[in-house]
Amino acid sequence: AQSVSQHNHHVILSEAASLELGCNYSYGGTVNLFWYVQYPGQHLQLLLKYFSGDPLVKGIKGFEAEFIKSKFSFNLRKPSVQWSDTAEYFCALNWEGNNRLAFGKGNQVVVIP
Amino acid sequence: DGGITQSPKYLFRKEGQNVTLSCEQNLNHDAMYWYRQDPGQGLRLIYYSQIVNDFQKGDIAEGYSVSREKKESFPLTVTSAQKNPTAFYLCASSIVGERVSTEAFFGQGTRLTVV
Repeated sequence: AQSVSQHNHHVILSEAASLELGCNYSYGGTVNLFWYVQYPGQHLQLLLKYFSGDPLVKGIKGFEAEFIKSKFSFNLRKPSVQWSDTAEYFCALNWEGNNRLAFGKGNQVVVIP
Repeated sequence: DGGITQSPKYLFRKEGQNVTLSCEQNLNHDAMYWYRQDPGQGLRLIYYSQIVNDFQKGDIAEGYSVSREKKESFPLTVTSAQKNPTAFYLCASSIVGERVSTEAFFGQGTRLTVV
C-alpha cells in the first residue's frame, strides 16, 4: 500500500531559523505530492503541490519543496521562519488513477519568538 | 463563497448512540472524503465517494457509514460499533480527473466527543 513517512513529529525552533521537514513515500508509479498546513484553530489548507515539471516548487508564505524521484522524497523548506509559522504540517500524496489522498502523520512545528 | 461546510463544530454524544456528521460543498466537486484526525496519527481515510450513489471504504471504515444521495452532501454516521469514536473529523472534496489538479479542499472539521 502507498504510504507517507514524516519524521521528527515535534520541531521547536527560534524565529529566523531555517526549517526543513522531511517527507518520504512508498509508491513506484506516478504520484502527485502535496504539503498541507493546519494553523491552530484553522482548517487544513494547501501550502504547495507537485504534479509534474520543475521538481522545485514554490508555495505560499515563502515555503518551497523539492521532489527528488530517486529518493522518493518531497521535503519542505523555509529559509527563515516566523512565529506565525507555528502549525502542523502534513505531507500527502495521491497516485495515478486515484484521487484519494494518503497523509503522513504530520510535523508539529513551534516557532519561539 | 464557495467552500465546504461541516456542522456542527463540536458534538457531544453518549456512548452507544449513533451520531451523524454533516458535510456540504458548493464547489461542484464530484469526489468527497471523510478523514479522521488523531494526535500523532495524521489523517486517516474513512470513506470516499467519487460519484453520487457510490462510495468506497477507506483505511478505517469499521464502525462508520456514509451515503451520497446528492452531489453536494456526504454525511458520515458514527455508529455504536466504532470503538474509539472521540476524534476530530474532517470532510474534503476534490474534482475527479487523471491529469488535472486533484488537490483536496477541506472543511473546518467536527470535534466529536463521546462520553
